Amino acid sequence: QVQLQESGPGLVKPSQTLSLTCTVSGGSISSGGYYWSWIRQHPGKGLEWIGYIYYSGSTYYNPSLKSRVTISVDTSKNQFSLKLSSVTAADTAVYYCARGSVVVTAIYYFDYWGQGTLVTVSS
Amino acid sequence: SSELTQDPAVSVALGQTVRITCQGDSLRSYYASWYQQKPGQAPVLVIYGKNNRPSGIPDRFSGSSSGNTASLTITGAQAEDEADYYCNSRDSSGNHLQVFGGGTKLTVL
Repeated sequence: QVQLQESGPGLVKPSQTLSLTCTVSGGSISSGGYYWSWIRQHPGKGLEWIGYIYYSGSTYYNPSLKSRVTISVDTSKNQFSLKLSSVTAADTAVYYCARGSVVVTAIYYFDYWGQGTLVTVSS
Repeated sequence: SSELTQDPAVSVALGQTVRITCQGDSLRSYYASWYQQKPGQAPVLVIYGKNNRPSGIPDRFSGSSSGNTASLTITGAQAEDEADYYCNSRDSSGNHLQVFGGGTKLTVL
């Protein structure tokens, strides 16, 4: 059973960089076919896709966040990470990591999710 | 980028059938996936592809699609089905992006 667990600071100061790590267990992050993803949810709001990294290292980001986001992978630790720079209060949200899967080219879905971690941006 | 539109709220009487819809241009090219989220919990995948349920998801959940609209149907809604439901698909812009609908809050009366 694949499990994902987010970790990182719960409080970040404005203008600083938010850094989170997702540790994957029960499966190898370097096995093919998966998109290792970050998704966030502002308090009381819906889900917002941040971006993902394919096992090959290719990255894809939400255009609205692209200039501030970096997603990377550390296969030796079976982890992937999110960095979001120049944060403001608008970045306060629960951040989820998730595994994205694809079947043929028309079926995408997120089948495993972490429990989520609340990150508050405040001085 | 594409958008996915969902009704903000839907209600259903206990034991009855309810359909939650999701509209967007990307659904003409890509299947929707559906997620259930209960308060304080992470989303859970309930339907993906044409009509596939992950292991452990009750068979009262089903999915369908026509044109630019995807639907999640719960046949015989139970009290424990009260939750927020989100649809998701790949964006049709060709940039390999993902998009979520705004979510539908389902109330079981």
